[in-house]
Amino acid sequence: GAVVSQHPSRVICKSGTSVKIECRSLDFQATTMFWYRQFPKKSLMLMATSNEGSKATYEQGVEKDKFLINHASLTLSTLTVTSAHPEDSSFYICSARDRENTGELFFGEGSRLTVL
Amino acid sequence: AQSVSQHNHHVILSEAASLELGCNYSYGGTVNLFWYVQYPGQHLQLLLKYFSGDPLVKGIKGFEAEFIKSKFSFKLRKPSVQWSDTAEYFCAVKANDYKLSFGAGTTVTVRA
Repeated sequence: GAVVSQHPSRVICKSGTSVKIECRSLDFQATTMFWYRQFPKKSLMLMATSNEGSKATYEQGVEKDKFLINHASLTLSTLTVTSAHPEDSSFYICSARDRENTGELFFGEGSRLTVL
Repeated sequence: AQSVSQHNHHVILSEAASLELGCNYSYGGTVNLFWYVQYPGQHLQLLLKYFSGDPLVKGIKGFEAEFIKSKFSFKLRKPSVQWSDTAEYFCAVKANDYKLSFGAGTTVTVRA
């Protein structure tokens, strides 16, 4: 299947700093990427839909100014957690839809963010 | 908004036992249904999917699922589990857009 890669896989930062997480589709072009947040023993919560060349669509309750999403190319989307706080500590997962595919999503390995 | 409900939070089985995980969703229109698996330390992977046609779908690693439209149900089964099936299992539903809604997940522990 198609490969989606996230970087970094783990990041620790101080409260108040910003962290950028990258999501790349390695062997296909993804017009749409999705960013999820996964809490311990909880489901994946969709944060936003990232569309190449346009603004991201955020889910209700997700702060646009805090979680900045950029989808600059067909193979790269970035999530920047701005002014991070300890409550932002979580596992962030991206997924991408191959534009040739009818619905299956391919997931990245996830990025564990710890804010001290 | 659609919701996805998985009935079991944690299932513990012995090897060779049969596994059945329930999933119900609330959306009334046409849906695509998925089961994903997340092995310890690994990515989410697709086990199987249902788009249309035969309501009994077969996936990888001996898994199958049955779609019962009248019950808004997409049940996952495996006749005989192995220790390597220990993982987190997520049911997901896609409605008209390409957003997937996930269930809370079921942790399956298979004891040797």
